[in-house]
Amino acid sequence: GAVVSQHPSWVICKSGTSVKIECRSLDFQATTMFWYRQFPKQSLMLMATSNEGSKATYEQGVEKDKFLINHASLTLSTLTVTSAHPEDSSFYICSARGQAAYYNEQFFGPGTRLTVL
Amino acid sequence: DQQVKQNSPSLSVQEGRISILNCDYTNSMFDYFLWYKKYPAEGPTFLISISSIKDKNEDGRFTVFLNKSAKHLSLHIVPSQPGDSAVYFCAASEMGGGADGLTFGKGTHLIIQP
Repeated sequence: GAVVSQHPSWVICKSGTSVKIECRSLDFQATTMFWYRQFPKQSLMLMATSNEGSKATYEQGVEKDKFLINHASLTLSTLTVTSAHPEDSSFYICSARGQAAYYNEQFFGPGTRLTVL
Repeated sequence: DQQVKQNSPSLSVQEGRISILNCDYTNSMFDYFLWYKKYPAEGPTFLISISSIKDKNEDGRFTVFLNKSAKHLSLHIVPSQPGDSAVYFCAASEMGGGADGLTFGKGTHLIIQP
């Protein structure tokens, strides 16, 4: 149990375009989903926290207008990188926290590699 | 300022021996700690966690020790197996591990040698 998927697993786009990344909890309902990014050989950095049906909470330094997060249902959150630039190239990982037995753990998706040309 | 520190970027251990990965933290509000294992280009996989009310948690070959006064925790893997070779991240949370995002260390690359 507690499987989280991400789509796509990798994406290459031109500078100035927008890219949408989906995060799904497959076998549990995720009341909260988190978005992280990881640069090469660096730690995972929390970008934002999204709760189903409400606006996402962004970490300091993360532009909310650039990284649009939508948590439309208990099993799906999307991250849209708008007007992507090469410096947005990174590994984006989502995690989901469920209810009851899964309360204390966050389960991570496999990540999405974004390359902006 | 890094609130979770893993000072050893890499660690090499012989197969069958004990692997000890260390983690220090500075935020005294952290009350829940987790260890994740990660392969390149994949998401982290949860291994084991510990609440600040405990000083030890064991799950099979994995044991996590917490020393609150020293703000230090460690992950012990015994016996170490080749499949344990990966990057291990220590993570911490202020609200029981679920309600807020995690703060990660930079990771330690564990290499198990045959």
